[in-house]
Amino acid sequence: AQTVTQSQPEMSVQEAETVTLSCTYDTSESDYYLFWYKQPPSRQMILVIRQEAYKQQNATENRFSVNFQKAAKSFSLKISDSQLGDAAMYFCAYRSQSFNKFYFGSGTKLNVKP
Amino acid sequence: ETGVTQTPRHLVMGMTNKKSLKCEQHLGHNAMYWYKQSAKKPLELMFVYNFKEQTENNSVPSRFSPECPNSSHLFLHLHTLQPEDSALYLCASSQASSGGVTDTQYFGPGTRLTVL
Repeated sequence: AQTVTQSQPEMSVQEAETVTLSCTYDTSESDYYLFWYKQPPSRQMILVIRQEAYKQQNATENRFSVNFQKAAKSFSLKISDSQLGDAAMYFCAYRSQSFNKFYFGSGTKLNVKP
Repeated sequence: ETGVTQTPRHLVMGMTNKKSLKCEQHLGHNAMYWYKQSAKKPLELMFVYNFKEQTENNSVPSRFSPECPNSSHLFLHLHTLQPEDSALYLCASSQASSGGVTDTQYFGPGTRLTVL
């Protein structure tokens, strides 16, 4: 079974600075999807960014970008110009191309200091 | 809001009680999911419904019983739960292709369940 590992249980960043959250995964598949989800305190989990494994170009959504290293099975999230509203739990997730299953990491709690 | 609602938002129940969690999605999706979220653990996928048919059951104890009467509604019936079942239960939905493969999930706010 696929596994997703987030090795940083908690991180802090100063407002307006840049922070990178790490995610690694284990799979034998060649095609799959990767996601970063954000879960603010007491609020719904929402999609931040997604990446198709067959695309070499790293996905970008405004201040959020990923560094996808397929060979290393690494999928880190970079948040630029951090804002107070970015404080949340961030979950890395993997979905198989062929199977209707999602695998989530244990999450990284991001604190943003004013 | 993402168009997925869950009720109730909080539930406290005894081990002998029977209760149900409800999820409704307003996104026109045809796949729905139940997850269990415990502190400092990865989300655990419990059940998956594609086109109202259950396609996954990840070895969930029988004290959890899902029901999907249509593609917009999903229930999780609870009975004789244990204290270790206390967690946040999340519902999600997505759009599945005819081959059953889905893409991005949209989550509800969750039901915080406490079993005494």
